[in-house]
Amino acid sequence: DIQMTQSPSTLSAFVGDRVTITCRASQSFSTWLAWYQQKPGKAPKLLIYKASSLESGVPSRFSGSGSGTEFTLTISSLQPDDFATYYCQQYKSYPGTFGQGTKVEIK
Amino acid sequence: EVQLLESGGGLVQPGGSLRLSCAASGFTFSSYAMNWVRQAPGKGLEWVSGIYGSGNITYYADSVKGRFTISRDNPKNTLSLQMNSLRAEDTAVYYCAKTSGGSSGWYSCFDYWGQGTLVAVSS
Repeated sequence: DIQMTQSPSTLSAFVGDRVTITCRASQSFSTWLAWYQQKPGKAPKLLIYKASSLESGVPSRFSGSGSGTEFTLTISSLQPDDFATYYCQQYKSYPGTFGQGTKVEIK
Repeated sequence: EVQLLESGGGLVQPGGSLRLSCAASGFTFSSYAMNWVRQAPGKGLEWVSGIYGSGNITYYADSVKGRFTISRDNPKNTLSLQMNSLRAEDTAVYYCAKTSGGSSGWYSCFDYWGQGTLVAVSS
């Protein structure tokens, strides 16, 4: 299985900050990568697919980049609604393995 | 509007069984692979099982292989997960998730998720 490692595990930031989360894969798989946002007690929500494509309805302050084994999720200006846990997922092969998550907290 | 509604969770003793269901609406159910993903309390997401749109191909995580069975009833737009020989480590919120494209689910992320149903395995 492809292993996914996110960093950092926790991130503290102010409203308005630019935030970057990294996801590294144990093997290369082009751009078959998604990012999800999850708030406490809620289901995950798809933000980004194909590494850099924004899901419909997702604010443009979210962006994704990368290919191969290193990927990033960037929030250009952190908003109060963005404090949540973010997961990457590779879907090049079954199972679609998830990273361990990055919790974005208010500083 | 796509909707996924899980049911069937609850408290069960170790070694017991439980059957989860996911009622789907708002899309052509048989055209999409479906999955179960779980989340243990305070932990991350773990893919559990997937099934082709036709229902003829299934996949399982090693942690549940031989104990869990995924199935679907396309005329009834329902996804199921039969869970046998349950263990304490199976305690989690179980989500059903729709793949974003294709009846096989390959090269597809999960674009819609249900609200989840809690399974607690304890004596």
